[in-house]
Amino acid sequence: DIHLTQSPSFLSAAVGDRITITCRASQDIRNCLAWYQQKPGKAPKLLIHSASTLQSGVPSRFSGSGSGTEFTLTLSSLQPEDFATYYCQHRHSYPLSFGGGTEVDIK
Amino acid sequence: EVQLVESGGRLVQPGGSLRLSCAVSGFTFSGFWMTWVRQAPGKGLEWVANIKPDGSETLYLDSVKGRFTVSRDNAKNSLYLQMNSLRAEDTGVYYCARLLGTESTFDYWGQGALVTVSS
Repeated sequence: DIHLTQSPSFLSAAVGDRITITCRASQDIRNCLAWYQQKPGKAPKLLIHSASTLQSGVPSRFSGSGSGTEFTLTLSSLQPEDFATYYCQHRHSYPLSFGGGTEVDIK
Repeated sequence: EVQLVESGGRLVQPGGSLRLSCAVSGFTFSGFWMTWVRQAPGKGLEWVANIKPDGSETLYLDSVKGRFTVSRDNAKNSLYLQMNSLRAEDTGVYYCARLLGTESTFDYWGQGALVTVSS
């Protein structure tokens, strides 16, 4: 089974900050990675798929990069509505799995 | 507008059974793979099961294999999750979601249904 490790688990940042979240896979998953945003009490929202493809309707301040075992999600300028928990997820093989999550809080 | 609406979540005793439903609208249901993903209280996301558009193929997380069954009725635009032999660790919010084309990436999600397994 493929294990995804996200870092950091918790991140405190201010509006306007640039932040980066990392997701490491336990084996090579090529570009088979997606990123989701989840706000409390709500369903996850797809942000990026295939490691770097921005989902339709997602603001361009979100970007993804990486391949193989190391991936990053970057927010170029944090907005108030971006404070949430972010998850990576691989689709390389079954069982599918998610990273443990990164909670982004207001500094 | 794409909509997915789960129902059927409730309190159930350990060893009991429950069937969740997911009613979809706004897209051609019979053309898409579908999934169930769950989230234990205060925890992260966990994939549970996938089902092919025609229902001919299903895939499961090992810990639910033999206890859970995913199915669909394309005529009713509905997805189901039959859960048997429920355990305390099955407690959580269960989301249905649509797969993005043939990728196991989830582009539209329901609001979730809470399943609580407790005596």
